[in-house]
Amino acid sequence: DTGVSQDPRHKITKRGQNVTFRCDPISEHNRLYWYRQTLGQGPEFLTYFQNEAQLEKSRLLSDRFSAERPKGSFSTLEIQRTEQGDSAMYLCASSHTGTSSYEQYFGPGTRLTVT
Amino acid sequence: AQSVTQLGSHVSVSEGALVLLRCNYSSSVPPYLFWYVQYPNQGLQLLLKYTSAATLVKGINGFEAEFKKSETSFHLTKPSAHMSDAAEYFCAVSEGGGSNYKLTFGKGTLLTVNP
Repeated sequence: DTGVSQDPRHKITKRGQNVTFRCDPISEHNRLYWYRQTLGQGPEFLTYFQNEAQLEKSRLLSDRFSAERPKGSFSTLEIQRTEQGDSAMYLCASSHTGTSSYEQYFGPGTRLTVT
Repeated sequence: AQSVTQLGSHVSVSEGALVLLRCNYSSSVPPYLFWYVQYPNQGLQLLLKYTSAATLVKGINGFEAEFKKSETSFHLTKPSAHMSDAAEYFCAVSEGGGSNYKLTFGKGTLLTVNP
C-alpha cells in the first residue's frame, strides 16, 4: 500500500491556459473522488468514479472541467481556459467497495495557482 | 442533504491543556462521521471515524470523539495537547451508499498550541 499519489504537487499557470492533474489511487481501490479546497475552506466534492464510470458530478464542476478514469485505474482532472477563481488545492481520494466503503484515503493534493 | 458546522475557526491552547474542537452535523439518514487533520501543504489524514458502532470513538495520536445523536454533535477531544498537534482539523459527514459515500466537510478549525 503506497498510498494515493498526485502529480504535480504544484502548478502555476497563466489565465486562459489548460492544465491537467493526475491521481493514482491505492491499488485495488475502485472508488475515486476529486475534491477542491480553497483557502480557509474545507474540501468540496467535485466528482466520483466507481471503476471507470463517472457516477456523480457536483454543480461546482463547470463545463471547463473534465475528469476521466480510463481502465478504472488512475484518474485525470483537466481544467480548460483557467480562471483566477480556479486557484485552489485539488485533492484526490480513494476507497474500496466493501465493509470500509466509507473510509477515504487522501493524496497530498495539487496546488494550482492561476496568475 | 448533509452539512457540517464547526464552531470556532481558530482554537488556541497551551501545551498540556485539554483540546476541544466542536462539530455539529445535519443528515437525513444515520450518518458516518469523521475527523481529519491537515498539516500545511499536505493532504488529509484520518484521525477517527464513527460508523454506528460505539458512540465514543478513539483515534490516533490520543484523540477521541463522542457521537451524540440528541445534540447532533461529534466533538473532538484530547486530554493533553502537544506541540505536534498544531494543524487544521476538519469534521466531515457522509450519508453512506445513497450519496456515493461522498464527504461533506466543515470549514475547519485551526489549532495552535502555545508552549
